[in-house]
Formats: sequence, C-alpha cells, structure tokens
Amino acid sequence: DAGVIQSPRHEVTEMGQEVTLRCKPISGHDYLFWYRQTMMRGLELLIYFNNNVPIDDSGMPEDRFSAKMPNASFSTLKIQPSEPRDSAVYFCASSFLHLPTSSYNEQFFGPGTRLTVL
Amino acid sequence: QKEVEQDPGPLSVPEGAIVSLNCTYSNSAFQYFMWYRQYSRKGPELLMYTYSSGNKEDGRFTAQVDKSSKYISLFIRDSQPSDSATYLCAMTSYNAGNMLTFGGGTRLMVKP
Repeated sequence: DAGVIQSPRHEVTEMGQEVTLRCKPISGHDYLFWYRQTMMRGLELLIYFNNNVPIDDSGMPEDRFSAKMPNASFSTLKIQPSEPRDSAVYFCASSFLHLPTSSYNEQFFGPGTRLTVL
Repeated sequence: QKEVEQDPGPLSVPEGAIVSLNCTYSNSAFQYFMWYRQYSRKGPELLMYTYSSGNKEDGRFTAQVDKSSKYISLFIRDSQPSDSATYLCAMTSYNAGNMLTFGGGTRLMVKP
C-alpha cells in the first residue's frame, strides 16, 4: 500500500488566495483526520471524518476553513481566504476501527503539505 | 493549561546514552498512550502503544505509564544518531472515536 497520499507537498500563496489541500487515505480505512502543525501550537486536530461523515470539527479555527470527504478515497481541506497566520504543515491521517467498541487504532500519517501564505 | 504537556527540548545526548522523554496530562479518562516519532519534514509514525498503567518494552525502547501520577515516559537505551527526531506523546480515552490528544513534542538530537 502506498500509505496516505497528500498533495501538494508544498504550497506558497499570497494572502487572500484560496488554498485547497488534498488527501487520499489508505484503502479500507474508515477514519480520516486533518491536523495542523506549527512550532508554537504543536499538532492540532482540525476535523475528523468517519465513513465520510464529519464527526468533530471543533478544531477548525474559523469559517475560512472547510473540509469535505465526497467519497472514501478522497478528502479536501480548503482555506478561503488564506492569511499569513495559516502558514503551517497540514497533515492528513487515516485509521481503521477494528472492533465495534472502541480501542486504540493506529493513525497513519501522510507526508504533510507545507503551506506558506505571504 | 494544555491537556498534555511535553518539554519541547531540544534534548542533546551523546551516542549510547539512555534517553528519558516524558509527558504529563490532566484528563484522568485517558487510557491509551502512544509515542509517535517524527523525522524532519515527515509525518509522525507510531513507535509504541500502551494501554492503561504499566511498562512495555520493544527492543531499545521502553514505555511506562503511571496513571496515578498522570505521567508517561519513553526510555531509549543505547541511543543512536538515527534516533534523532521529534517524539510526540499522544493519548486517548475509551469511546473517543479514535481522536488523539498530542503533546507538543520533544526534539531529540543524538550526537555521534
């Protein structure tokens, strides 16, 4: 398996522009997570999906951020309009719940998208 | 105060040293404890996973959980330059829907 795939790997844009980050989870995984990592705030969960349905978006910083998962193999995170404080590395991760009741299941991370907003 | 606290480092040690990395947390509902390793410009990868209190050993790595103190540790024996990375603790509770709460990460540098 190729693992979690993210694109683009690097994005440089100007303030006010729309940015779209893309993620392809591992085939068969039913959870998908979007994280943001910065030096100041560490790794923050933005939103996660289960079976393509958004479950918790309380980490989304504001209305400029939106995420979709139209099918089991694709998700997008969109920032519109972008601001310099959005500069960070954005990670997508996926996992598979093995049991009907919860136990821990490993999250597999993609390589990240490094976003710079000028 | 953050839910999970971790000293950011950097921690610099000579090759062969024993390394101790630690996290403290405030949520007593946490039952599953993980250590992720993140190399520069890469995504985090699961290193070790422990359920509830106790120790777990895997090669040169030992994870310890003390739920009474809300304190977890990762020990690395005979540290190698290839261990140089950022180590993130993470934890979650029963029925948390696979959501993880991460510490800020400790940057480790092992010098040859």
